[in-house]
Amino acid sequence: AQTVTQSQPEMSVQEAETVTLSCTYDTSESNYYLFWYKQPPSRQMILVIRQEAYKQQNATENRFSVNFQKAAKSFSLKISDSQLGDTAMYFCAFINTNFGNEKLTFGTGTRLTIIP
Amino acid sequence: GAGVSQTPSNKVTEKGKYVELRCDPISGHTALYWYRQSLGQGPEFLIYFQGTGAADDSGLPNDRFFAVRPEGSVSTLKIQRTERGDSAVYLCASSVSSGEQFFGPGTRLTVL
Repeated sequence: AQTVTQSQPEMSVQEAETVTLSCTYDTSESNYYLFWYKQPPSRQMILVIRQEAYKQQNATENRFSVNFQKAAKSFSLKISDSQLGDTAMYFCAFINTNFGNEKLTFGTGTRLTIIP
Repeated sequence: GAGVSQTPSNKVTEKGKYVELRCDPISGHTALYWYRQSLGQGPEFLIYFQGTGAADDSGLPNDRFFAVRPEGSVSTLKIQRTERGDSAVYLCASSVSSGEQFFGPGTRLTVL
């Protein structure tokens, strides 16, 4: 079974600064995807960034980037030039890409607060 | 286009009652998922539909929980004899086969 661990329940950072959220996972699979989702108070999960395990290059999406260390099973999210709208819960998630295994496994989340 | 919608947004019920939660996926999405998010936790998988059939229901906690998707579009999650421990946000997501899952805003269920 897969597990996802987020060891930082809460974090806060000044607006415009950079913050890194940590995530580790455990799996015996070789083919999988990793995701970071953002959940604002509206409850709707929004995909921030995704990483295919077979790709060595770290994914980037504008101010968001990941540090994917496959051997260490680590997948951290870096948010640059943080904005007030980044305040939300952030969840790391894993999906096994073998056919028929479609369920996302989530971590417990990190509550991020951007301070004006 | 419209995203995933869920109704009701909030549901308060009494212990022992029956509830139905509805999910309208994005048009054309063949896959539909239900997750449950308890307070302070990440979402946990309940069930996954591919078309009309439940491809994986391994996350349903017990036989009080049941879900249907009779025409391959709208899905209903049904909970019988509700218990206080069922209180949570129930999230629905849809995707095009094995692609990115798009989530709805969830239904907050409170069992008194």
